[in-house]
Amino acid sequence: EIVLTQSPATLSLSPGERATLSCRASQSVSSSLAWYQQKPGQAPRLLIYDASNRAAGIPARFSGSGSGTDFTLTISSLEPEDFAVYYCQQRSNWPPFTFGPGTKVDIK
Amino acid sequence: QVQLVESGGGVVQPGGSLRLSCAASGFTFSGYGIHWVRQTPGKGLEWVAFIRYDGTNTYYADSVKGRFTISRDNSKNTLYLQMNSLRTEDTAVYYCAKNRLLGSYFFDSWGQGTLVTVSS
Repeated sequence: EIVLTQSPATLSLSPGERATLSCRASQSVSSSLAWYQQKPGQAPRLLIYDASNRAAGIPARFSGSGSGTDFTLTISSLEPEDFAVYYCQQRSNWPPFTFGPGTKVDIK
Repeated sequence: QVQLVESGGGVVQPGGSLRLSCAASGFTFSGYGIHWVRQTPGKGLEWVAFIRYDGTNTYYADSVKGRFTISRDNSKNTLYLQMNSLRTEDTAVYYCAKNRLLGSYFFDSWGQGTLVTVSS
């Protein structure tokens, strides 16, 4: 099973700042990685798939990069609605599909 | 637009059974693989099961294998999860989620979730 770790666990930032979130896989997943955003009481929302492709309707301030074992989600300038929990997910070696434990982006 | 609506959650005793449903609309249900993903209260996400678009193959997490069964009725645009021998650790919000594309295995649409509580 591929284990995903995310860092930091919590990121405290102000609106307008840049957010950089990390996801590391226990073995190579090539570019088979996605990022999701989840707000309280809501289902996750797909942001990025195949490491760097924005899903439909996702603003350009969200970008993904990386391949192999190290991946990054960047939010170029935080909007108030971006404060949420972010998860990465791999589909390279399944079953199972696995998720990281999440990074909470909260308001400083 | 794509809509997935789960139902069937509730409170059940350990060892009991429950069947969840996921009603789909707004897309060609029979053309997409669908997953069940769960989230324990205050915790992260765990993939539970997957069924191919035509129901020919199913896959399970080790934690539920032999106890849960995923199935679908393409004539009714509905996905199911039969959960037997429930344990306290199965307590979670259960989401159905759709593959982004055939063979994509990223989840581009999710339901609102249904809460399953296993407690005596």
